[in-house]
Amino acid sequence: GENVEQHPSTLSVQEGDSAVIKCTYSDSASNYFPWYKQELGKGPQLIIDIRSNVGEKKDQRIAVTLNKTAKHFSLHITETQPEDSAVYFCAAPGTDKLIFGTGTRLQVFP
Amino acid sequence: NAGVTQTPKFRILKIGQSMTLQCTQDMNHNYMYWYRQDPGMGLKLIYYSVGAGITDKGEVPNGYNVSRSTTEDFPLRLELAAPSQTSVYFCASCITSGYNEQFFGPGTRLTVL
Repeated sequence: GENVEQHPSTLSVQEGDSAVIKCTYSDSASNYFPWYKQELGKGPQLIIDIRSNVGEKKDQRIAVTLNKTAKHFSLHITETQPEDSAVYFCAAPGTDKLIFGTGTRLQVFP
Repeated sequence: NAGVTQTPKFRILKIGQSMTLQCTQDMNHNYMYWYRQDPGMGLKLIYYSVGAGITDKGEVPNGYNVSRSTTEDFPLRLELAAPSQTSVYFCASCITSGYNEQFFGPGTRLTVL
């Protein structure tokens, strides 16, 4: 079955800097890669996803890149702001479910 | 459209007690999921359902039971609560499969003493 690894587990950046979170997956047939953001005390919420027919997708300050050959995908946040502080999860599809990475706690310091 | 709702928000149980965590969605989603999240940790799948009358085990099903009699509701039953079940429980739903957005509820924070 699918296995997803996520790094780093924690990330601290200065406000205005960029942040990058990386995930690798094991099943070369996987073709959907979402990213979820979990704010303190709330459930995770989808922020961006990418399907395997594209290599990059952007939505304002966030972008996701996909390298199917290397089987890894990354979340890029530019011009970080304090409200970006949260836990971020990557995921890949399993049978009838999502396989989540272990999460990255991002802290943005003013 | 309320999305995914969970009750209760908080609960304290004594060891050996039982309870049911409620989850309801109003989006007519076929797939529903129960996760637990221990402090500072990731999401672990407990049970899931691909439609009314169908349930399946996730990676950590021991100590839990589920039922899915309607499309809207997916209750999680804890029998004989143990301290190891202290966690935050999230219910989620999606229209189909692992290839669509999962919508999460606000969570139930459970403490077993």
